[in-house]
Amino acid sequence: AQSVSQHNHHVILSEAASLELGCNYSYGGTVNLFWYVQYPGQHLQLLLKYFSGDPLVKGIKGFEAEFIKSKFSFNLRKPSVQWSDTAEYFCAVNDHTGKLIFGQGTTLQVKP
Amino acid sequence: DVKVTQSSRYLVKRTGEKVFLECVQDMDHENMFWYRQDPGLGLRLIYFSYDVKMKEKGDIPEGYSVSREKKERFSLILESASTNQTSMYLCASSRLRVEQYFGPGTRLTVT
Repeated sequence: AQSVSQHNHHVILSEAASLELGCNYSYGGTVNLFWYVQYPGQHLQLLLKYFSGDPLVKGIKGFEAEFIKSKFSFNLRKPSVQWSDTAEYFCAVNDHTGKLIFGQGTTLQVKP
Repeated sequence: DVKVTQSSRYLVKRTGEKVFLECVQDMDHENMFWYRQDPGLGLRLIYFSYDVKMKEKGDIPEGYSVSREKKERFSLILESASTNQTSMYLCASSRLRVEQYFGPGTRLTVT
């Protein structure tokens, strides 16, 4: 069965630190990849997505992610985090049926 | 902007009650989904629908049923609520194989 694994469950950073959240998936076919974010008290929203083309994709709020097909990975990065980035982050993979398979989520806490 | 709305933000029900959670989307999306979100488990798919009157089981359908009589509306039904169904329930909609848009969620507590 397809699965998505997020390496870090809880990350604590100080403002201005760099962020990298790991995401690996197990699915051999063509995939679409997503990162979603859920800010405290808000609904889940799309941060960025990869369908094809340039494996380095840029999203909202300065986030980017790199798709490495050989490693089945789609890691999320941000060079300098802000207190307002405190949220829960979910990696997801979309298979040929259209279903999304989510990772367990990573809670990011940014200290001011 | 895509809008997905859910009928309640918070709901408290008693064990054994029948519970209806409603979801409405305004973007004419073919696909609609129901998830539950639990700490440490991420989002797990309960049911989804590709079209009116069509439904498919997700990963955790036991204890739930769904109804899609109109394209914009997708209902989740708990036939007899149990305490282990206390959770956050999220509805989403999408076109095929593109990003899903989520509603605000319903936090259901079963006592």
